[in-house]
Amino acid sequence: DQQVKQNSPSLSVQEGRISILNCDYTNSMFDYFLWYKKYPAEGPTFLISISSIKDKNEDGRFTVFLNKSAKHLSLHIVPSQPGDSAVYFCAASAAGNQFYFGTGTSLTVIP
Amino acid sequence: DAGVIQSPRHEVTEMGQEVTLRCKPISGHNSLFWYRQTMMRGLELLIYFNNNVPIDDSGMPEDRFSAKMPNASFSTLKIQPSEPRDSAVYFCASSFWAINQPQHFGDGTRLSIL
Repeated sequence: DQQVKQNSPSLSVQEGRISILNCDYTNSMFDYFLWYKKYPAEGPTFLISISSIKDKNEDGRFTVFLNKSAKHLSLHIVPSQPGDSAVYFCAASAAGNQFYFGTGTSLTVIP
Repeated sequence: DAGVIQSPRHEVTEMGQEVTLRCKPISGHNSLFWYRQTMMRGLELLIYFNNNVPIDDSGMPEDRFSAKMPNASFSTLKIQPSEPRDSAVYFCASSFWAINQPQHFGDGTRLSIL
């Protein structure tokens, strides 16, 4: 039973525009959320995180938004660059070090 | 700094054979995780260890799967006997044993069972 869902398998965006990747979760006990980025033939690498006490966290071009009432988080990339083309996974945990991952969204940034 | 090291990177074997995947975590990390990546389920946690002790193996699909961590610098995931549906990419990750610590992943083992 998938507790973290990424309903868009793929997304294409023009270079310079905004990329918005979405993630939904079902477990109301989740209190910490992360985004990972994965290039082909490599392992996922940590990108950005957010605690449930916040609704926004920003790191350079990357911003994560959390809507606890909707059990929804999103990752915004502005401006998008060709090097951002990768698979993005969201993950969630409930006060532990075990994370539940989504199925990933493949982002393609078109030059 | 050396990251998480997994071997082999690729494994192709015939159904029924034993498969052993290996992982060396980042030095100093005391939590280790084994994941399987599939299109349908994404990154699926199989088992994780804290201080070399298995904490949760509820994600291990069948008795054919087993994992060990004999010391802080080495872990194995074994499949015996292997089946074609075990074909996937298997990742090992490590972290400090603390709440909300991001995990550091190896580059995975791509396993193909013919």
